Amino acid sequence: RKEVEQDPGPFNVPEGATVAFNCTYSNSASQSFFWYRQDCRKEPKLLMSVYSSGNEDGRFTAQLNRASQYISLLIRDSKLSDSATYLCVVNYYQAGTALIFGKGTTLSVSS
Amino acid sequence: NAGVTQTPKFRILKIGQSMTLQCAQDMNHNYMYWYRQDPGMGLKLIYYSVGAGITDKGEVPNGYNVSRSTTEDFPLRLELAAPSQTSVYFCASSYSLKETQYFGPGTRLLVL
Repeated sequence: RKEVEQDPGPFNVPEGATVAFNCTYSNSASQSFFWYRQDCRKEPKLLMSVYSSGNEDGRFTAQLNRASQYISLLIRDSKLSDSATYLCVVNYYQAGTALIFGKGTTLSVSS
Repeated sequence: NAGVTQTPKFRILKIGQSMTLQCAQDMNHNYMYWYRQDPGMGLKLIYYSVGAGITDKGEVPNGYNVSRSTTEDFPLRLELAAPSQTSVYFCASSYSLKETQYFGPGTRLLVL
């Protein structure tokens, strides 16, 4: 069974903290990887794609370890506005499966 | 561009009633998808379409039907609503299977 597993949290951190989320996926045939952000009662929105070499977008850094089938997201200098649920998403490029979503990790940043 | 739009935003149905959830996109995307999200759960794919006239089942298609007569529109039909279909429904689109999916704002459905 194709699955994406995430620690559901919640992660409660103060402003300015660094927080890391982890995600594992079961199918080694996975082709592409993403982190989506979902605010309460809103639609998921792409936060960033995850590349094999690792990639950074401002305060956000994503890492991929294909050998361990493991994806991570690091958020530095947390802001109140970072409070949301972060979804780990894997694409198998197979008809009928499209994106496989993790259940999400909830982050709450407090002042 | 409006992106992906969905109507209605919220609906209450009685058991056995039917309804159509509307979805439209103006990005000329070939691929469109319907997901449902239950509380505390990940999104589950209901149906998807790779272009006008072509649809296929996802992970949880039972109780739903779709059609794709145009590139822009991808309605989801519930024929006999059941309490198990209480959920938030998201429509999404992408240029290809490899590309980022863009989501609509969702339709909250309550079946009583």
